[in-house]
Amino acid sequence: DAKTTQPTSMDCAEGRAANLPCNHSTISGNEYVYWYRQIHSQGPQYIIHGLKNNETNEMASLIITEDRKSSTLILPHATLRDTAVYYCIVRLNNAGNMLTFGGGTRLMVKP
Amino acid sequence: NAGVTQTPKFRVLKTGQSMTLLCAQDMNHEYMYWYRQDPGMGLRLIHYSVGEGTTAKGEVPDGYNVSRLKKQNFLLGLESAAPSQTSVYFCASSYSGIVANQPQHFGDGTRLSIL
Repeated sequence: DAKTTQPTSMDCAEGRAANLPCNHSTISGNEYVYWYRQIHSQGPQYIIHGLKNNETNEMASLIITEDRKSSTLILPHATLRDTAVYYCIVRLNNAGNMLTFGGGTRLMVKP
Repeated sequence: NAGVTQTPKFRVLKTGQSMTLLCAQDMNHEYMYWYRQDPGMGLRLIHYSVGEGTTAKGEVPDGYNVSRLKKQNFLLGLESAAPSQTSVYFCASSYSGIVANQPQHFGDGTRLSIL
């Protein structure tokens, strides 16, 4: 699986958009980009995933660059409850379906 | 919907004791996983199962055993607990991994301390 690089921490003002970057320069053609988050003391929560095209769901938007070497998770209107560690994960399309979690980005949403 | 349920939520053991952590899912998922998370670190895969009666090793399997006798349950066993196994343990499940883009659903974890 391709390795990902994320900033260790970020701050965001409540009500503003939170843009979390992820670099995955060694990604291969059949690897998906997944985003999970982990709120303190809870299990990881799936947010969104994509292959090539930008994706949007009720939680967030995922923007993947044309060369697929980086992506950005966008929380359009961050709330205090969005304070969490956000993990960007790149996965191979194989039967194992395992996730490899790195250090993630600690997002602090401030009033 | 219960989703993924882990029991117990907390446990304190003495070195050398044994115990079993239980994970149950009600989503009819084929795949199940056990991860551990140490302070300040991401999750690491211990063992996983691709179906009833099958198990496989993950990244950090030593000191643990697993069983998947029923599709909905995945058990993680510590035969002789060691302080290095103090951690938070997360269970997850997903639909068949043959189709890659199936997200994993996680339980809320078991906090295990070994003295």
